Parts: sequence; C-alpha cells; structure tokens
Amino acid sequence: QVQLQESGPGLVRPSETLSLTCSVSDDSVSAANFYWNWIRQPPGRGLEWIGYIFYNGRTTYNPSLESRVTMSVDTSENKFSLKLRSVTAADTAIYYCARGDVVLPPTGPKFYGMDVWGQGTTVAVSS
Amino acid sequence: AIQLTQSPSSLSASVGDRVTITCRASQGINSALAWYHHKPGKAPKLLIYDVSSLESGVPTRFSGSGSGTHFTLTISSLQPEDFATYYCQQLNSFPFTFGPGTTVDIK
Repeated sequence: QVQLQESGPGLVRPSETLSLTCSVSDDSVSAANFYWNWIRQPPGRGLEWIGYIFYNGRTTYNPSLESRVTMSVDTSENKFSLKLRSVTAADTAIYYCARGDVVLPPTGPKFYGMDVWGQGTTVAVSS
Repeated sequence: AIQLTQSPSSLSASVGDRVTITCRASQGINSALAWYHHKPGKAPKLLIYDVSSLESGVPTRFSGSGSGTHFTLTISSLQPEDFATYYCQQLNSFPFTFGPGTTVDIK
C-alpha cells in the first residue's frame, strides 16, 4: 500500500514562504492515472482543497489561493511540493497531501476521490 | 465555486443506530461526489466515491446514494469506530470543494 509523508517547517514567519514536500513511497508519482493534491484544515474549521499537480507538471489551483501558490513534482525523487507565499496567520493549518484517481477520456478528465492521504503536518504562522 | 451544505451539522447516536447524512450542492455535480471519515489527529479516509461506489476495504455498512444536487451517506449500524466527522466533496468542477462536515458523537 502506497504511503505519503509530508515534511517541512512547523513554524513560518508572516510574509514569508511556506514550503512543504510530500514523499511518496513508490513511483506512482509518474503514473498518468493519479493526481496529487494539497489540502489544509485551519484550527476548528473544515477541509480546504489547495490544488493538484499531475506527473507532467500540469497544475490546477484553488482561485482563492492561486496568486500565492506554486506546486511542483519531482518524479525522479517520487515527491511533490507546495509553496505558499506571503503567509499570514490565516494560513495556520494542518496541511495534508493526498493522492486521487483520475481517468482521461477524450471528453475530459474525470476525477475520483482522494484515496491515500498523508498523516498531515501542522504549520503555524507566527512571528 | 460550487457550495456544499451538509445536514445535520452534528448528531448524537448510539452503537447500532442507522445514521443518514445529507449533502446538497449549489448546482449539479453529475456523479462526482465523495464521502470521507475524519478523526482528530488522523488522515481523512475515503469511504465512497462516484456517489455510491464503496472504496476498497470500507465496511459494507456504509452506503451512498443520490443524484443531481442531493446526496446521502448512510451508516446502517453505527460502530464505535464510526464516531468521527464526515465530509462530502465534489470533484465535478474547480475548485474542488468540501462540505462543512457532520460530526457524529456518542449519545
């Protein structure tokens, strides 16, 4: 069973860049039938989808964060990453990485649920 | 963005109870709806995808149904490990969105 593990600093200063990496235990990052997501949960609140990246680097971001987000993938290292710029206290959250299944018919991609998740990493934004 | 609402926001139930949670979308989402189970300190767990398809390894007491904008998750006989927060998620259009969650606790 594939495993995902988030890593990165637990504390980020306001206005700086939050950087997280998700390590994948096998080489499925290179597969075309998966998409790789970042999701976060602020304290006391629900889940918010940040965006996803495919093996070929194609990304889609949540418009609410798009101006500050960059995702990248490294298929040689079986990992993908998140950068969130100009953070504020509102970015304090548990950050999860997750794998989702996708099929790619000619009519356009069909996305299925996110079946494998990392345990999450807590990031606090504070001076 | 498609908004998802869930009802109830919380409920108290006993082991063995039948529990139903509703998820409504602000517009049609075809069949691109998933349900997750989430406990504090743990990763969310996929239960149902494509409205009614049971994820591998998930007990058959979980079932999903619905169409268009109205969907339900049913737990036929609540077990102790089922006390958690449940989220629906739409994957029909960007941004993918989650419902606000339904917390199931012990009566």
